[in-house]
Amino acid sequence: DSGVTQTPKHLITATGQRVTLRCSPRSGDLSVYWYQQSLDQGLQFLIQYYNGEERAKGNILERFSAQQFPDLHSELNLSSLELGDSALYFCASSPWGGNSPLHFGNGTRLTVT
Amino acid sequence: DAKTTQPTSMDCAEGRAANLPCNHSTISGNEYVYWYRQIHSQGPQYIIHGLKNNETNEMASLIITEDRKSSTLILPHATLRDTAVYYCIVRDNNAGNMLTFGGGTRLMVKP
Repeated sequence: DSGVTQTPKHLITATGQRVTLRCSPRSGDLSVYWYQQSLDQGLQFLIQYYNGEERAKGNILERFSAQQFPDLHSELNLSSLELGDSALYFCASSPWGGNSPLHFGNGTRLTVT
Repeated sequence: DAKTTQPTSMDCAEGRAANLPCNHSTISGNEYVYWYRQIHSQGPQYIIHGLKNNETNEMASLIITEDRKSSTLILPHATLRDTAVYYCIVRDNNAGNMLTFGGGTRLMVKP
């Protein structure tokens, strides 16, 4: 158990809809990272937050947004969903700085029909 | 962050040591080498990391060459549950950066 909790585990929704994925980081970790893993692609970095502030952005679509709340949990919002958004979405957390590794949750599997 | 090169796939017999190589010839002085694995569709699991000295923990050993241009992850006694995709990643730790995943090595442990 990595200590990172993601909910829900599975999500099935229709095209055009909006969903919210939730991540609770490990106790004491201030930084949260979101990744997407599609069937035909590897793990793609989406966005990073540190203590409530956006820290880095990767290949995140404009239809996607995220935030980190004062209690450090994070949410990834996906809107105007398309079939191609079907993927595994992983959250990871780490303390800030240094060489501490990232620890990943077990992901949310999103299926868009 | 420096790029890494790993074999696409490898086989290993159960009970034998699995040695997974990684080339990172453009690694810079402040970049660490990290190893993760992903079993089926689970979240990537942290294994080990190091800067220049060899490292060992309960899961594996990491051997980094003296010039730091390559490394080897060693699973001393592979089991069927070690079948996974193994990722070697180099990361600049000066800014708490994210990890950039490549294609990894698909390790198949066979009975």
